[in-house]
Amino acid sequence: EAGVTQSPRYAVLQEGQAVSFWCDPISGHDTLYWYQQPRDQGPQLLVYFRDEAVIDNSQLPSDRFSAVRPKGTNSTLKIQSAKQGDTATYLCASLGRDIQDTQYFGPGTRLLVL
Amino acid sequence: TQTVSQSDAHVTVFEGDSVELRCNYSYGGSIYLSWYIQHHGHGLQFLLKYYSGNPVVQGVNGFEAEFSKSDSSFHLRKASVHWSDSAVYFCAVSANYGNEKITFGAGTKLTIKP
Repeated sequence: EAGVTQSPRYAVLQEGQAVSFWCDPISGHDTLYWYQQPRDQGPQLLVYFRDEAVIDNSQLPSDRFSAVRPKGTNSTLKIQSAKQGDTATYLCASLGRDIQDTQYFGPGTRLLVL
Repeated sequence: TQTVSQSDAHVTVFEGDSVELRCNYSYGGSIYLSWYIQHHGHGLQFLLKYYSGNPVVQGVNGFEAEFSKSDSSFHLRKASVHWSDSAVYFCAVSANYGNEKITFGAGTKLTIKP
C-alpha cells in the first residue's frame, strides 16, 4: 500500500511570492489533513477535509492560505503572498473511516521564505 | 479543548540506557492518547496509542507507554535504547475515543550517545 505522498519536498521563496503544495493521501482514506510545523515545534492543524468538504479551517489564515480537495482525493494547499513567518514544514496526513486508526503522515514540504 | 505538555525539550542518554519521555495532558472527557516519532527530514510515524483497557500499552521497537488518569500523564518508556532511536517524539491527544482531530505536544528531541 502506497503511503501519503507530497510534492514538492522543498521550496524557497521571496516574500510576496505564491506557492502551492500537493498531497496524495492513502487510497480510500476519506479524511485529509494539512498541518504546519514550525521549526522545533509540534504540528499544528491548518485545515481538514472529509471527502471534498472542509470540516475545520478555523486555524487557516484565510487572507493568504487556501486549500481544496475537489474530488475528495488529492488536495492542494496554496499560500498567496508568502511571509517569512510562513517558514515551516507543511505536513499532509490522511485517516481512513475508522477514526480509532492512526493518522498517516507524508514526508512534508519544507518551505523557506526569505 | 484538550492540551498536551511535554516538559523536556531535549533528552540525552547513552546507547543501552533506559529512557522515559514525559507527557501530561488536560481534558475533562473521554480521551485518546498516542505517541509519534519523527526522524530528521521525515514525516511523523505512529508508535502506540491508548484509549481504554490496560493502562500499559506496547508499541513498535520496544517502546511502551503508561496511562495514568490520576496524574493526567502518558509517559513513553524504553528499557534499552539504540542509536536509531534518535529522533523527535511527539505526544498527542484527541477527544471522544477517536483520532479525528489531534493536538500535538511540542516534542522531545531524544539524542542517543554511543
